[in-house]
Amino acid sequence: AQSVTQLGSHVSVSEGALVLLRCNYSSSVPPYLFWYVQYPNQGLQLLLKYTTGATLVKGINGFEAEFKKSETSFHLTKPSAHMSDAAEYFCAVSEGPGGSYIPTFGRGTSLIVHP
Amino acid sequence: NAGVTQTPKFRVLKTGQSMTLLCAQDMNHEYMYWYRQDPGMGLRLIHYSVGEGTTAKGEVPDGYNVSRSTTEDFPLRLLSAAPSQTSVYFCASSYSTAAGAQHFGDGTRLSIL
Repeated sequence: AQSVTQLGSHVSVSEGALVLLRCNYSSSVPPYLFWYVQYPNQGLQLLLKYTTGATLVKGINGFEAEFKKSETSFHLTKPSAHMSDAAEYFCAVSEGPGGSYIPTFGRGTSLIVHP
Repeated sequence: NAGVTQTPKFRVLKTGQSMTLLCAQDMNHEYMYWYRQDPGMGLRLIHYSVGEGTTAKGEVPDGYNVSRSTTEDFPLRLLSAAPSQTSVYFCASSYSTAAGAQHFGDGTRLSIL
């Protein structure tokens, strides 16, 4: 069965600092990986996804993530945090043929950005 | 293009009452999902559907019913509301592939007194 672990329920950074949100997964078949962002009182929005091909994936708002199969990781990064990046971030995994198409979500990481 | 629309946005119920949370999507997505979101628990899958006429249980299905009579609609019914069902409920939809990203509604905030 697939699973997702997001390390750190809260991450605090200063404006302009590097953002690093960690996500590790387990999957019995090649995974499809997603990062979503949730702003207050809103639903989740897709930031980026990895399906196949290039392991470094670029998303919206300057975020990117790298799929590392050997480390079973899909960490989310942004070189310079902005106040508007404060939100809840969710990592999710689904599996291709032979596995479960239904995504499994991590518990989320709240990003706090200090001025 | 409205995407995924949830109604109502807020509701307060008394213990034992029943209600239906509505979800509609206009993207012709085959897959639809209901989640509940509680502090520190992330998103937990209640029920999902892989196409019209199908439903399946997720992680926390007890106390909830769903049906999928059309591609567009996927209502969630609380049979007899309990305080433990106080939560924010999200509906989502996606194409029928594992690579398809989910599209979420804005949620229904439900309080059970």
